[in-house]
Amino acid sequence: KQEVTQIPAALSVPEGENLVLNCSFTDSAIYNLQWFRQDPGKGLTSLLLIQSSQREQTSGRLNASLDKSSGRSTLYIAASQPGDSATYLCAVPRKLTFGTGTRLTIIP
Amino acid sequence: DGGITQSPKYLFRKEGQNVTLSCEQNLNHDAMYWYRQDPGQGLRLIYYSQIVNDFQKGDIAEGYSVSREKKESFPLTVTSAQKNPTAFYLCASSTPQGPPNTGELFFGEGSRLTVL
Repeated sequence: KQEVTQIPAALSVPEGENLVLNCSFTDSAIYNLQWFRQDPGKGLTSLLLIQSSQREQTSGRLNASLDKSSGRSTLYIAASQPGDSATYLCAVPRKLTFGTGTRLTIIP
Repeated sequence: DGGITQSPKYLFRKEGQNVTLSCEQNLNHDAMYWYRQDPGQGLRLIYYSQIVNDFQKGDIAEGYSVSREKKESFPLTVTSAQKNPTAFYLCASSTPQGPPNTGELFFGEGSRLTVL
C-alpha cells in the first residue's frame, strides 16, 4: 500500500527566504506526483504535476523535483512572501493517496 | 470556466438525518472522487468512480453512499449510520491515469458539514 509522508508538519520562515518542503512515498511505482496548496476552509489548488518521466517541473517561484528511486519529492519556494502562507500537500494520484501536509507560515 | 462545483458550502444536520452533498464537474472527466478531511488529518478517500454507473468503496465508506448516473455528477449521501459525520468534504475529478493523459487531480471548494 502506498504511504505518503510530509515532514515537518509545520514550518515558519521569515519573508524573503527560500525554502524546501519534503514529500516521501513508499512505493516507487508511481505514474505521477502532484503538489497542492490549501488555504484555510478552502479546497485544494493544484500547483505542480510531475510525471514519472520528469525530474523537475517549474511554475513561477515554485520548483518541484521527483526522485522515484529514493521515493522523494521536494517543493522549492523561492523568495517567500506572506501570501505563500498555506498548507501544502503532496499526492500520488494513481494511488489516491495524500500526505498530511506541511503548514507553512511566512513571517513578514 | 471549467471546474468542479460543490454545494452547499455549509450544511447543518440534526442527528439521525441523511444529507446529500452535490458535486458537479464540466471538465468532461470520467473519474470522480469524494474525500473527507478532519482537522489536523490528511484526506481520506470515501468513494470513487472511474466511469458512469460504476463506483468503488474507498478507505472509509461506511455510513456513506454515492451514485453516478451522469458523467458530470457524483453526489454523496451522508447517512444516519455515519457515527461522526462532522467534517470537511472534498470532491475531485481527474484525467485518466496513464499515457498520453496526465492523471491530474482537480478539486472543488469543499462542503463543511456540521451535525448539531
